Amino acid sequence: QVQLVQSGAEVKKPEASVKISCKASGYTLSKYYMHWVRQAPGQGLEWMGTIIPGDGSTTYAQKFQGRLTLTRDTSRSTVYMELRSLRSEDTAVYYCARDEIVVAGPDAFDTWGQGTLVTVSS
Amino acid sequence: SYELTQPPSVSVSPGQTASITCSGDKLGNKFVSWYQQKPGHSPILVIYQDTNRPSGIPERISGSNSGNTATLTISGTQAMDEADYYCLAWDSSTGGVFGGGTKLTVL
Repeated sequence: QVQLVQSGAEVKKPEASVKISCKASGYTLSKYYMHWVRQAPGQGLEWMGTIIPGDGSTTYAQKFQGRLTLTRDTSRSTVYMELRSLRSEDTAVYYCARDEIVVAGPDAFDTWGQGTLVTVSS
Repeated sequence: SYELTQPPSVSVSPGQTASITCSGDKLGNKFVSWYQQKPGHSPILVIYQDTNRPSGIPERISGSNSGNTATLTISGTQAMDEADYYCLAWDSSTGGVFGGGTKLTVL
């Protein structure tokens, strides 16, 4: 069955970087966008960015431009999210989510990873 | 930047109909999807492209979108429907935009 399995929880100090993996199984990676969404404690969902695994092209929310990098390793069916210059406000659960690639562009997230808690604390 | 507005909370009695709105400029010109999230769990897609239900989502959950407002409607609300609900739309300039979320309470 379709699954997105994320790497485990991380604790980082301010100004450090974090890299989270999202391993896809049960479907062809190149046929779906992979989006990243985060949720701060007690807060709502926030879209961070998108990668097209087939060609590696990316789109980032303006808020994360310059701090966020999405990459993929198609041989491992895995997508990665790296966030740099971490601050306390980046403490959140980070999710990957897939979305079928269609002509009209990004649409709906039909499968989500289990989430990865990143805690930023000195 | 584009914004979507949801009411923070909606309350409904068991068996009644709950309506959760999502408002944005010319939202009717965009596709809207809806997500249900229960505490400690990942979100689940319940409506895509305004009105479509993924397999496994009950028929009593429906969606609409016109003008500036999209609406998620849950008929015959059950205790299991109590959750946070988020709308999502795509803007050519902003990218993916989530509403702030609505906490549905089944009293």
